[in-house]
Amino acid sequence: EAGVAQSPRYKIIEKRQSVAFWCNPISGHATLYWYQQILGQGPKLLIQFQNNGVVDDSQLPKDRFSAERLKGVDSTLKIQPAKLEDSAVYLCASSFPPYNEQFFGPGTRLTVL
Amino acid sequence: GNSVTQMEGPVTLSEEAFLTINCTYTATGYPSLFWYVQYPGEGLQLLLKATKADDKGSNKGFEATYRKETTSFHLEKGSVQVSDSAVYFCALDQGAQKLVFGQGTRLTINP
Repeated sequence: EAGVAQSPRYKIIEKRQSVAFWCNPISGHATLYWYQQILGQGPKLLIQFQNNGVVDDSQLPKDRFSAERLKGVDSTLKIQPAKLEDSAVYLCASSFPPYNEQFFGPGTRLTVL
Repeated sequence: GNSVTQMEGPVTLSEEAFLTINCTYTATGYPSLFWYVQYPGEGLQLLLKATKADDKGSNKGFEATYRKETTSFHLEKGSVQVSDSAVYFCALDQGAQKLVFGQGTRLTINP
């Protein structure tokens, strides 16, 4: 079974630029999550989708972050414009309700200069 | 709000030593508890979990017991190997499969 795929693996941008990350969850997994992991901290949930609907985006900085999950499969997370404090690893995970085990992708490491 | 606190790292041990990584939590009710592991260059993987008080999760020689009296879920292994070197995260499910993670503990095992 293929795991959660993410791209790109690394991205370096200047502040105020835009960036987008892509995630392809495990086939059949209805729930998809985006996490932000700042160096030295645990992952923090940004947004949770159930199929193509948003379940929880209370921690998403909506003035600059947006996410979508068209057709309930792939998802993209966008930052526009980026700030220095957005430097982090962005993790995508998926799960198959009602089971609560989440499967994580390798992450995208973003550096904002 | 719900939170997870892990022991400060990094932790360095010799091969075959006994390992304990402490984890305590604050939550309403009795959430499911998890340990995730992140090997170098890889994504987080579920190591073990416990869904109710006094449950013991185990996998790959690691164990953790859900203690509601002390709100703890400490990770233990009797004899660590070099291949156990990784970052370990304790987490709780605060409902609707939303995980709250601790800050992680980096473990290094020397041969």
